[in-house]
Amino acid sequence: EAGVAQSPRYKIIEKRQSVAFWCNPISGHATLYWYQQILGQGPKLLIQFQNNGVVDDSQLPKDRFSAERLKGVDSTLKIQPAKLEDSAVYLCASSTLTGLWYFGPGTRLTVT
Amino acid sequence: GDSVTQMEGPVTLSEEAFLTINCTYTATGYPSLFWYVQYPGEGLQLLLKATKADDKGSNKGFEATYRKETTSFHLEKGSVQVSDSAVYFCALSALQTDKLIFGTGTRLQVFP
Repeated sequence: EAGVAQSPRYKIIEKRQSVAFWCNPISGHATLYWYQQILGQGPKLLIQFQNNGVVDDSQLPKDRFSAERLKGVDSTLKIQPAKLEDSAVYLCASSTLTGLWYFGPGTRLTVT
Repeated sequence: GDSVTQMEGPVTLSEEAFLTINCTYTATGYPSLFWYVQYPGEGLQLLLKATKADDKGSNKGFEATYRKETTSFHLEKGSVQVSDSAVYFCALSALQTDKLIFGTGTRLQVFP
């Protein structure tokens, strides 16, 4: 079975610019997550979707971050405007009903 | 709130040495516990899991036992290889939630 797909793999932008990341979860996985992994830290949950609805976005900086999963399949995460502290790897994951999480390769964002 | 604490790295070992990476957790009730591994340039991969007290998860020579009395889930391997060099993350998923909470990660470096 195909894994979680993410693109792009790398992105370099200047501060105050905008950027978008894309994720396609494993087919049939209803729950999708976006995590932020800052260098030297563990992944931190940003937002969780169940189908196309938001379950938890309490850790999402909503003044600059937004995410959507319109058809309950793939998802986009956007940052506008970016700050230096947004430099991180953005991980997408999807999960099964039996409590197994599968992670994509991540998008490494560098904000200069 | 729920949290995971891991020993700081890097952990530097010679090939065939014994490995222990400590992990303790704080959670309401009895969460499921996981170890994930992140090889250089790759995404997070599930290494092993345990879902209830005294369960032992094992995979690729790695083991971890769910210790309720000490709220711990230490990762062990009897004889490490150079190919085990990676970052290891301890994580939990609390009952009644479907979120993964990660520790900060421990980098393992194995030298020939």
